[in-house]
Amino acid sequence: SQQGEEDPQALSIQEGENATMNCSYKTSINNLQWYRQNSGRGLVHLILIRSNEREKHSGRLRVTLDTSKKSSSLLITASRAADTASYFCATDTGGGNKLTFGTGTQLKVEL
Amino acid sequence: NAGVTQTPKFRVLKTGQSMTLLCAQDMNHEYMYWYRQDPGMGLRLIHYSVGEGTTAKGEVPDGYNVSRLKKQNFLLGLESAAPSQTSVYFCASSTLLPGLADFANTGELFFGEGSRLTVL
Repeated sequence: SQQGEEDPQALSIQEGENATMNCSYKTSINNLQWYRQNSGRGLVHLILIRSNEREKHSGRLRVTLDTSKKSSSLLITASRAADTASYFCATDTGGGNKLTFGTGTQLKVEL
Repeated sequence: NAGVTQTPKFRVLKTGQSMTLLCAQDMNHEYMYWYRQDPGMGLRLIHYSVGEGTTAKGEVPDGYNVSRLKKQNFLLGLESAAPSQTSVYFCASSTLLPGLADFANTGELFFGEGSRLTVL
């Protein structure tokens, strides 16, 4: 079974709006990472948050982590058409040796 | 600056045929991973390696074998391809084990562009 589950599975917004994606996971973690995948391409790392952190920012990205609820959220502010992609959360598992990915949220930003 | 390179990018096989996917990284990364991506399933780990000469099973290892004879290369083999192995395969590498990743040296995974395999 998947360690991470993203919600929603698909999201369609207008350019300039904010996009929020949520991730829930099952086991304790050292850190949680978010990746982006453009259609037909490999994944690219966006941001990492450690288990002892509650919030991190990077440019237009804001990530929160609630270890008590085993959940994280990724907020993209002032979205652009170029943000259209799939977004995945990933958590370290297997004693920290492996990175396990969620099922992803497909974001479409329309002009 | 190649990063992680996967070959081939596309391949069509018949059931029962064998093939090898090659992953090469030029970043001197210790850790390498093979994932498969299927619609609605996200990425699932097949095998991984924590150093030259080592391999370990991931979440879905059955039907696959791997080898890490050189630090920069990680090979994924299908001995007898089955239609269920139709998928997009991604190789990734990192400097740190995921559990040790932090803000100073993120230990993020660097991915190749994928290899699309169809088994008829």
